[in-house]
Amino acid sequence: NAGVTQTPKFRVLKTGQSMTLLCAQDMNHEYMYWYRQDPGMGLRLIHYSVGEGTTAKGEVPDGYNVSRLKKQNFLLGLESAAPSQTSVYFCASSYRGATYEQYFGPGTRLTVT
Amino acid sequence: DQQVKQNSPSLSVQEGRISILNCDYTNSMFDYFLWYKKYPAEGPTFLISISSIKDKNEDGRFTVFLNKSAKHLSLHIVPSQPGDSAVYFCAASAIKRDDKIIFGKGTRLHILP
Repeated sequence: NAGVTQTPKFRVLKTGQSMTLLCAQDMNHEYMYWYRQDPGMGLRLIHYSVGEGTTAKGEVPDGYNVSRLKKQNFLLGLESAAPSQTSVYFCASSYRGATYEQYFGPGTRLTVT
Repeated sequence: DQQVKQNSPSLSVQEGRISILNCDYTNSMFDYFLWYKKYPAEGPTFLISISSIKDKNEDGRFTVFLNKSAKHLSLHIVPSQPGDSAVYFCAASAIKRDDKIIFGKGTRLHILP
């Protein structure tokens, strides 16, 4: 039982490059979330999904896209990376909505030069 | 516009004493509150939660107090232990919305020997 896993753990991109971050959970959770953590800014929600095939915008969605084609996977895409997207990205999942505990992955550290 | 505020970026407490972490919220729709703990290079983990129908919830050394009229909650850790050194995030949600939670910026707790 791996919980929530994230791929890759580290990545360095040049400005304008694209990439996809993969999040996988094996707990059969309905809800999945993508956050970014920046110094002094806490955890900010980028996008989230309340079930397979659904996505919704969070607090800071600009520059990111997501897809939830399978219940266990939630992908975060950067189409044209910018230095402002340098951050640590966390994926989380929960059984249902906001009153349920969210389980977080270990994070992906992304640097855009 | 910060809806969940943790006004103390850091806090130092002697081992064995009480740690008190504070959190304020502005949105009166919030009726469910959570605390998460985060160690460096790891994802956050759920610590304790409280519904607005209660004013106190206790789990071992951790107690959360909610003052709805003041829109204020606090996390008490008694006694503080070295392993409690971490960043603590306060989070809030609206049960009826049942989708996402809003995190504060976090408070870094240092337990001194």
